[in-house]
Amino acid sequence: QLHLQESGPGLAKPSETLSLTCTVSGASISSITYSWGWIRQPPGKGLEWIGSLYFSGSTYSNPSLKGRVTISLDTSKNHFSLKLTSVTAADTAVYYCALISGTTFDYWGQGTLVTVSS
Amino acid sequence: QSALTQPASMSGSPGQSITISCTGTSSDVGTYNLVSWYQHHPGKAPKLIIYEVTRRPSAISNRFSGSKSGNTASLTISGLQAEDEADYYCCSGAGSSTYVFGTGTKVTVL
Repeated sequence: QLHLQESGPGLAKPSETLSLTCTVSGASISSITYSWGWIRQPPGKGLEWIGSLYFSGSTYSNPSLKGRVTISLDTSKNHFSLKLTSVTAADTAVYYCALISGTTFDYWGQGTLVTVSS
Repeated sequence: QSALTQPASMSGSPGQSITISCTGTSSDVGTYNLVSWYQHHPGKAPKLIIYEVTRRPSAISNRFSGSKSGNTASLTISGLQAEDEADYYCCSGAGSSTYVFGTGTKVTVL
């Protein structure tokens, strides 16, 4: 049974770095079959793609986030991580991690709320 | 990269059919057959219901179907059921391994 679970601080301070982890069970994070992604949903708004990390090691992120995104794998823990630098209140959102199969977000975590506030 | 446009809300009675539109541009929906649809019950994990415009994961009911014409993709829910009440989002490939989501549609079953 495939399961993804986001974890990390629920509060980040403006200008600091938001860090989240997605723990995967039921699939190997190092499989060449899968890639991994992050999506977010600001309060009262729609979904926004943040970025993706492919099995090749290539990463891609939303141009609107202007290079603030880093996605990485930790194969020893079977999880992948998101770092978003220089956060502002506009980065307050529910953050979802997802497994990408081909070009589709096949499985998602339940999401974790991160609030940016001093 | 602007969000794809969806109607904010739609409603229907049990048994009826509704069609949700998803309008993009020639840079995303119009060029790539990479449109997917997700059902989201608030507080739960979003669920993939349609991928590559028309394909349906094996566990998804055949009451859900997808199509595309030009820059607009559509999701049809036939035989509407109470459990279909949720938010629905489209998503499209947008070139260079990037993606763009729709604005979301809240479906209410009357």
